[in-house]
Amino acid sequence: DAGVIQSPRHEVTEMGQEVTLRCKPISGHDYLFWYRQTMMRGLELLIYFNNNVPIDDSGMPEDRFSAKMPNASFSTLKIQPSEPRDSAVYFCASSLDALNTGELFFGEGSRLTVL
Amino acid sequence: DQQVKQNSPSLSVQEGRISILNCDYTNSMFDYFLWYKKYPAEGPTFLISISSIKDKNEDGRFTVFLNKSAKHLSLHIVPSQPGDSAVYFCAASVSGNTPLVFGKGTRLSVIA
Repeated sequence: DAGVIQSPRHEVTEMGQEVTLRCKPISGHDYLFWYRQTMMRGLELLIYFNNNVPIDDSGMPEDRFSAKMPNASFSTLKIQPSEPRDSAVYFCASSLDALNTGELFFGEGSRLTVL
Repeated sequence: DQQVKQNSPSLSVQEGRISILNCDYTNSMFDYFLWYKKYPAEGPTFLISISSIKDKNEDGRFTVFLNKSAKHLSLHIVPSQPGDSAVYFCAASVSGNTPLVFGKGTRLSVIA
């Protein structure tokens, strides 16, 4: 398997623009997670899905953030409008059964810079 | 409030010596703990884990120790190698109930 695939790897945009990050999880994994990494907060969970259904989005910082999983092989994280403080590395991860000590498999991340 | 704390942002160790990375947690319900390793421009990868029913788990050069009464765990790497230079994240969960909660990470530099 190719692992978790994220795109784009790098995104530079201007404040106010819409940003869409994409993720393809490992086939057969039931859980999909979106994490954000910053120096100040480390790796923080934004939202996770189980079988394409959002389970907990309490980590989503504001209404400007939204995530969807229209099918088992694709998820998006959208920021609209983007702000400079959204600059971070966004990771998607998937797991067979993360809530029972399952291991998370991470993508390589999408580095977002909002000017 | 950070439930998983890695209070040392960085650590520098000589090649061949022991590296000790520390992690503290506040949620007494956590019963499963993991360490992830992250190289630049890559995603974190799983390294080693420990269940709360154990106090030690070893895998080659890597050993994780858990002290439940102190709510503390540590990762020992011996001997340290230059290829171990990376950011190490501690993570914890209440198995069967919550996804992983990560610390901020510790950057380990192993100097040849």
